[in-house]
Amino acid sequence: SQQGEEDPQALSIQEGENATMNCSYKTSINNLQWYRQNSGRGLVHLILIRSNEREKHSGRLRVTLDTSKKSSSLLITASRAADTASYFCATELTGNQFYFGTGTSLTVIP
Amino acid sequence: DGGITQSPKYLFRKEGQNVTLSCEQNLNHDAMYWYRQDPGQGLRLIYYSQIVNDFQKGDIAEGYSVSREKKESFPLTVTSAQKNPTAFYLCASSNQGARSPLHFGNGTRLTVT
Repeated sequence: SQQGEEDPQALSIQEGENATMNCSYKTSINNLQWYRQNSGRGLVHLILIRSNEREKHSGRLRVTLDTSKKSSSLLITASRAADTASYFCATELTGNQFYFGTGTSLTVIP
Repeated sequence: DGGITQSPKYLFRKEGQNVTLSCEQNLNHDAMYWYRQDPGQGLRLIYYSQIVNDFQKGDIAEGYSVSREKKESFPLTVTSAQKNPTAFYLCASSNQGARSPLHFGNGTRLTVT
């Protein structure tokens, strides 16, 4: 079953603007990760946030986690055309099982 | 360079034929995974293996089979019992128990006609 769900399904912004995408999940987790996928390629890991953390930064990425609401958000600041991709959240349950959301398709217009 | 290699990139088969997708990693990871991705959808777990000679079913294992005879290799066979085999298949690996992320191959796009 699909563990997570991203919102919005698709997002289109101008270069330089910020992009925010959200992820909701269903069960308790060990950690939550965000991945990026360029069209027709494999996924690339962006950032991991543990269940006892509330916010994490990595370069232009900012991730928040609210375990009480079972939700996370990914903020990409000062977006670039090269950020155009699909973004997925993944939750790690026990036993090294990873479950992915449905993804947000981001288009950054130059 | 360490990484995961999936081959071939594109695969075409006739309905009723079994087909095996290759996945090899040289990252020395214990755990390996197979996911299926359909257009506009997320990834669904087919099988995963945490150690050589052991593997577990994921959410959509019906019509698929795997083996894990070597740490580096985790081939996936799509059998004729799989009703809708046309999809993008992704293999991944990770370290065990270290909260390490998944490392993905670049996928195999299987088309069955």
